[in-house]
Amino acid sequence: EAEVAQSPRYKITEKSQAVAFWCDPISGHATLYWYRQILGQGPELLVQFQDESVVDDSQLPKDRFSAERLKGVDSTLKIQPAELGDSAMYLCASGAPTGVGEQFFGPGTRLTVL
Amino acid sequence: SQQGEEDPQALSIQEGENATMNCSYKTSINNLQWYRQNSGRGLVHLILIRSNEREKHSGRLRVTLDTSKKSSSLLITASRAADTASYFCATDAWGAQKLVFGQGTRLTINP
Repeated sequence: EAEVAQSPRYKITEKSQAVAFWCDPISGHATLYWYRQILGQGPELLVQFQDESVVDDSQLPKDRFSAERLKGVDSTLKIQPAELGDSAMYLCASGAPTGVGEQFFGPGTRLTVL
Repeated sequence: SQQGEEDPQALSIQEGENATMNCSYKTSINNLQWYRQNSGRGLVHLILIRSNEREKHSGRLRVTLDTSKKSSSLLITASRAADTASYFCATDAWGAQKLVFGQGTRLTINP
């Protein structure tokens, strides 16, 4: 069964360092989402791609976060510099465009900023 | 911002009992979805109900939607220990072009 792949699964870094997360969506899924989930809360959308284009990045802290999906397949989310408040689970999902169907989530990357 | 609010925040029941979780939302929606998340893992889609549907079943799951009250419920019948997880509702609001998740209900099934 096809799955969304994410790496690394866990990342520990010190504040002010740069971190990067990678996501490979299910083959054929044009829409890719990055979410941030703080412990005890629901996921919050950071950025949504349709192929290689950004559809929604209204909640992405653009002063320190960046995301790209250069060839419309896999994607990278970067944080530079990391802050203590960035500690969270970062989830990648792919699927049909919003309004059509379900999203398929990867296992997530647990980020701890010290 | 979170549109959906789940109730209760936490629920603990005995194995074999039924579990009911509720979700309320604020704006008109295109569809509402329920997801499950096991501890420290990604979310798994359970069921999607469209705004013109009132009830939907999938195995031991039953979802209802009341658009006049802007609320939905998820019923898990004959619960099992493996159902222990957090459950989230997510709404696809008209015009929003994105899913907005609630805070979730933490369900614990005691053997």
